[in-house]
Amino acid sequence: GDSVTQMEGPVTLSEEAFLTINCTYTATGYPSLFWYVQYPGEGLQLLLKATKADDKGSNKGFEATYRKETTSFHLEKGSVQVSDSAVYFCALKYNNNDMRFGAGTRLTVKP
Amino acid sequence: KAGVTQTPRYLIKTRGQQVTLSCSPISGHRSVSWYQQTPGQGLQFLFEYFSETQRNKGNFPGRFSGRQFSNSRSEMNVSTLELGDSALYLCASSLTATQNEKLFFGSGTQLSVL
Repeated sequence: GDSVTQMEGPVTLSEEAFLTINCTYTATGYPSLFWYVQYPGEGLQLLLKATKADDKGSNKGFEATYRKETTSFHLEKGSVQVSDSAVYFCALKYNNNDMRFGAGTRLTVKP
Repeated sequence: KAGVTQTPRYLIKTRGQQVTLSCSPISGHRSVSWYQQTPGQGLQFLFEYFSETQRNKGNFPGRFSGRQFSNSRSEMNVSTLELGDSALYLCASSLTATQNEKLFFGSGTQLSVL
């Protein structure tokens, strides 16, 4: 079945370091791809999305490109901040909110 | 605009009991979905409701059920609780649940089964 695989964490970086969180997917159809972020004690918030191949989603300095040829949707940010510390989830989605999430990657950014 | 509201925030139950969780979506949103989050299994899709009809269901036993009311509010019920049902249950709403549409999540109900 359809699934998402994320790089295992936790990831610890110093402030202003470059971030990459790898995400690959297996899909029978043509899903939309999402990155969600979860802060402690909260629900998930959308970070960015891409709806078709070669689309690039971006928000708050984060970006990810929908790569059909490598079935990937890696998350990148050029310079992380302490406030970016959270758990990041990659996900694919079809209609009716059938959403498949990766296991999540915990990011800690140290000053 | 108020966000997705889930009640209660925390619940403690014992094995064999049943529990009902509530979710109020964002005003105007007609689709409500439920997800279970555990450290071992991660986030898993339970079911989705739209206009009081269940349109989609994940791979969970029949002990997990839900419903949606005419005002789009939704409830989720788990009967005959098991220890493994301990989890954070997240509700999410969207306008219509099309593929490209983002979900708005509530803060969740943390259920502990003793």
